[in-house]
Amino acid sequence: SAVISQKPSRDICQRGTSLTIQCQVDSQVTMMFWYRQQPGQSLTLIATANQGSEATYESGFVIDKFPISRPNLTFSTLTVSNMSPEDSSIYLCSVEDWPTNTEAFFGQGTRLTVV
Amino acid sequence: ELKVEQNPLFLSMQEGKNYTIYCNYSTTSDRLYWYRQDPGKSLESLFVLLSNGAVKQEGRLMASLDTKARLSTLHITAAVHDLSATYFCAVDIRYGNKLVFGAGTILRVKS
Repeated sequence: SAVISQKPSRDICQRGTSLTIQCQVDSQVTMMFWYRQQPGQSLTLIATANQGSEATYESGFVIDKFPISRPNLTFSTLTVSNMSPEDSSIYLCSVEDWPTNTEAFFGQGTRLTVV
Repeated sequence: ELKVEQNPLFLSMQEGKNYTIYCNYSTTSDRLYWYRQDPGKSLESLFVLLSNGAVKQEGRLMASLDTKARLSTLHITAAVHDLSATYFCAVDIRYGNKLVFGAGTILRVKS
C-alpha cells in the first residue's frame, strides 16, 4: 500500500491569502487526486493531477482558484488561492495503488481554517 | 451524473446489536469502496469490492456488493464502542479511482 504524506496537517490563514498543500507518495503513481471535505460533509473530488499534463478539474472547481502542480510521479501540490472562510475544509490527496489500480489511499489531510 | 446515497445518515446502536448501512448508486460500476473516518482523521480503507456478488469480512464488519441492484451493504455484527466513527461508501466510475462518495453514516455505539 502507498504511504502518503501531506503538509501542512493544519493551518489557519487570513482571508485573501493563498496556501499551498504538498502531497508526497512513497512510490510512483500515475494519477493523484485532490478532494475537499467541508465541515460535516462528505468528500468531493476537486481535480485529477497527471504528471506532464494539466490537471483535470471537476465541475465547480477552476484552475485559478485551485492551481495544481504535478512535477513528478511521487509529488503534487494544491494551492487554495485568494481564500475566503468558505474555503475552510479538510483537503486530502489520494492515489491509486499502481499498477493494480484496485484501491485508493488517502493522505492524512490538511485542515484549513480561513479567518 | 452519478449519485451515491447512503442510509441511514446517523445510526445510534446499543453494544451487541446488529445493523446494516446501505449504499445505493445510480450508474453502472463494479467497484465500490468502504472507508472509516474517525473525528479529525483521514480515511481508513475498510473494503474494496470489485465484482458482483463480492463479499468481504473483517472482524465485526461485512461488506457486500450487488452490481445489478447497484447496492452495497455494510453489516455490523454485535457492535462494540470502538466501531463508533463515520463510514463512507464510494463508487469508482472511471477505473482510475475517481471516487464519488456517499454522504457518510455517523455511527455511535452506546455502552
